[in-house]
Amino acid sequence: DIQMTQSPSTLSASVGDRVTITCRASQSIGSWLAWYQQKPGKAPKLLIYKASILESGVPSRFSGSGSGTEFTLTISSLQPDDFATYYCQQNNSFRTFGQGTKVEIK
Amino acid sequence: QVQLQESGPGLVNPSQTLSLTCTVSGGSISRGGYYWSWLRQHPGKGLEWIGYVYSRGNTYYNPSLKSRLTISLDTSKNQFSLRLSSVTAADTALYFCAREGLGDGSVGSFHIWGQGTMVTVSS
Repeated sequence: DIQMTQSPSTLSASVGDRVTITCRASQSIGSWLAWYQQKPGKAPKLLIYKASILESGVPSRFSGSGSGTEFTLTISSLQPDDFATYYCQQNNSFRTFGQGTKVEIK
Repeated sequence: QVQLQESGPGLVNPSQTLSLTCTVSGGSISRGGYYWSWLRQHPGKGLEWIGYVYSRGNTYYNPSLKSRLTISLDTSKNQFSLRLSSVTAADTALYFCAREGLGDGSVGSFHIWGQGTMVTVSS
C-alpha cells in the first residue's frame, strides 16, 4: 500500500499569511495527487487534482506543485474561509489519503 | 448539475450488515464512464476510501475491507449501494458517496460528494 504523510499536522496562521502544506508518498505516484479542504461536519471539497490543476471555481490563491513522492499545497494569502483541515490523496494505486493538516487561527 | 445523496440506517447492530444507498440526480449513473465511490471517516479521524463501482458495473475494493464488502449499481433507480457485512464498532463512521472526475487526469480524484451519513454500530 502507498502511505501518504502530511506535515505539519496542525498549522497556526493569520489572515494574509502564505501557508504551505507538504505531502509525501511512500513511493513514487507521478502526478496522481489531489488536495481537499474539509470543514467540520461537511464533505471534503476538491481543490487541486493531478498535483497542480485547480478545480473549477476554486480561488487562485490555492496552488499545488510536486511530482514523484513530494508535493505541496500553497495558499498564497490565507483568508478567513480557509481555516479548515486539508487532505492530500493519491490515486496512482487505489486511493489513499494523508492524515490531514488542520489550519487554525493564530 | 449532478448531486449525490446518501441514505440508510443510522444505527446497525454488531455482526449485522450495514447497507447504504447513494441516489444520483442530475445525470445518469450508467453513462459517461464514471467511477462511483464510497468513502468513510471515523469520528475525529481522516478519510478512508472503501471502494468503487464503474458505470459498466465493474468494482474495485479497498483490500482491507474486501472480504466484507459489496458495492453495486442499480441503473433503474440511478443509485449505487454499499453493503458491509459483519460490522463492529470499528465500522462506526461518517459514510460518503462520491464521483470521480473524467479525463484530463481527473480520474481518481473525487469531484462530487454527497453530504455524508453517520452510521453507528452498537447494540
